[in-house]
Amino acid sequence: AQKVTQAQTEISVVEKEDVTLDCVYETRDTTYYLFWYKQPPSGELVFLIRRNSFDEQNEISGRYSWNFQKSTSSFNFTITASQVVDSAVYFCALSLPGAGNMLTFGGGTRLMVKP
Amino acid sequence: NAGVTQTPKFRVLKTGQSMTLLCAQDMNHEYMYWYRQDPGMGLRLIHYSVGEGTTAKGEVPDGYNVSRLKKQNFLLGLESAAPSQTSVYFCASSPRGSSYEQYFGPGTRLTVT
Repeated sequence: AQKVTQAQTEISVVEKEDVTLDCVYETRDTTYYLFWYKQPPSGELVFLIRRNSFDEQNEISGRYSWNFQKSTSSFNFTITASQVVDSAVYFCALSLPGAGNMLTFGGGTRLMVKP
Repeated sequence: NAGVTQTPKFRVLKTGQSMTLLCAQDMNHEYMYWYRQDPGMGLRLIHYSVGEGTTAKGEVPDGYNVSRLKKQNFLLGLESAAPSQTSVYFCASSPRGSSYEQYFGPGTRLTVT
């Protein structure tokens, strides 16, 4: 069975600091998909990024970047120059093909950015 | 285009009561899901459906039933609510295929006393 671990339950930073959220996953499958979602205080879940297991290229989108390393089964998320609006709970998730696209979520990391 | 909507947004039940949560999507998605979110545990899959008329169990299906009579709707039922079912429930949908992200509804906060 697959598993996603987000060891950091809460992180607190001051605005403009860089912060990295860790995600470690376990699966025996060679084909899988990894996701990050953001849950702001309003409660909805917002999709941030999807990565398939064959694409280890790092991704950058504005202040957000993702580092996917199969060798360490990690898919870490970095926010550069954090802002108060980045305060949210961030979830990492994994899905396998042929399984109804079911997501296995990590426990989430609560990020608090203080002004 | 409303995306994924959930009804109701909040509900308080007494132990033993029953209720149905409604999820509707207008994106013509094949797949639909029900998750529950509890503090510190992320989201856990209750049931899912890969098409109209089909449903399957997820990680935590006990105490819940589902139905997908129409492609756009996915209903979650609690026949006899228990305090352990106090949670936030999220519905999601996605196109067919494993590479697609899921689109989530706004959630329903359920309290069972």
